[in-house]
Amino acid sequence: EIVLTQSPGTLSLSPGERATLSCRASQSVSNNYLAWFLQKPGQAPRLLIYAASSRATGIPDRFSGSGSGTDFTLTISRLEPEDFAVYYCQQYGHSPFTFGQGTKLEIK
Amino acid sequence: QVQLVESGGGVVQTGGSLRLSCAASGFTFRDYGMHWVRQAPGKGLEWLAFIRYDGSNQYYADSVKGRFTISRDNSKNTLYLQMNSLSAEDTAMYYCQVITVTWGQGTLVTVSS
Repeated sequence: EIVLTQSPGTLSLSPGERATLSCRASQSVSNNYLAWFLQKPGQAPRLLIYAASSRATGIPDRFSGSGSGTDFTLTISRLEPEDFAVYYCQQYGHSPFTFGQGTKLEIK
Repeated sequence: QVQLVESGGGVVQTGGSLRLSCAASGFTFRDYGMHWVRQAPGKGLEWLAFIRYDGSNQYYADSVKGRFTISRDNSKNTLYLQMNSLSAEDTAMYYCQVITVTWGQGTLVTVSS
């Protein structure tokens, strides 16, 4: 089983700042099949990035994904108020298709 | 628009069964593998099961293997999750997911004694 470790657990930043979230895999993710999701309280998760760096339909270009193998990063270039939420990564290269434990992005 | 709508959740007694459905629209359902994911109250996301686009293979998390069964009907654009031998640990919001496309809004399952 591929274990995904997200860091930091909580990130405190201000609107307008840059956010960098990390997702590290215990072994290489096949074909870089790594997705990022955002979840706000009381809502379903929403797809941001798939295949490590492809932005989903309708996602603003301030969101970008990078990385390969075992190290992946989600970057939000300039934080907007609606970006403060919990972020999850998921690998879908090999079953079981595991999630990271999440990073909470909170307003400083 | 692209949409997944889950249904079938509710309150069930320990040891009971429930069948969840996920109706898909706005995309070619038969072209995509489908997943079930759950989230216990206040917890993170837990992947449960996957079925290939044509239903040829299914994969399960250890926590539900032997108790849950994922299936699909491509003629009805619908995904299913049959859940048996439910326990309190199965209480959660259940989501269907196409990883590279979208999520449903979820259906709540509560297992009580």
